[in-house]
Amino acid sequence: GENVEQHPSTLSVQEGDSAVIKCTYSDSASNYFPWYKQELGKRPQLIIDIRSNVGEKKDQRIAVTLNKTAKHFSLHITETQPEDSAVYFCAASMVSGNQFYFGTGTSLTVIP
Amino acid sequence: DAGITQSPRYKITETGRQVTLMCHQTWSHSYMFWYRQDLGHGLRLIYYSAAADITDKGEVPDGYVVSRSKTENFPLTLESATRSQTSVYFCASSERMNTQYFGPGTRLTVL
Repeated sequence: GENVEQHPSTLSVQEGDSAVIKCTYSDSASNYFPWYKQELGKRPQLIIDIRSNVGEKKDQRIAVTLNKTAKHFSLHITETQPEDSAVYFCAASMVSGNQFYFGTGTSLTVIP
Repeated sequence: DAGITQSPRYKITETGRQVTLMCHQTWSHSYMFWYRQDLGHGLRLIYYSAAADITDKGEVPDGYVVSRSKTENFPLTLESATRSQTSVYFCASSERMNTQYFGPGTRLTVL
């Protein structure tokens, strides 16, 4: 099955700086890559996703890039704010499949 | 998010007891999933269901049983709870392999 690795496991940045979280996947058939944000004590919630026919997608301060050749994708958060502090999970799946495979999460702390 | 609910939200039980966690969604999503979340392991899939009466094992199915007689419900049963099953359990649903919507979670403690 698919194996998703996520790095780093923890990340601290100063408010206003950028944060980058990277994931790699093993199955070249994977073609859907969502990112979830989980605040302390809350449920994971989708913040952005990308499909394999797209190399980059942006939504205000967050962006995701995908390199299918290298089988990795990254989450970029610019101008970080304290409310960005949370655990972020990447995932991979096939649109025609039946499972999502999650990374182990990155705990992001934005220092005011 | 109010479209997927879990009950109970907190549960304390004893080793060897049977426990059932409930999950209900109102979107008529085809897919439903059960995950457990433990520190250092992220979200691990226990079972999933592609439709009513269709279920399959995920990464960590041992000790758990699921059923899905109706599209909207996907209960998870721990037949004989063990301390290693102390965890936070999340139910999720999605329409095909698109956005997954997670329930609020159930925090289970097995003494």
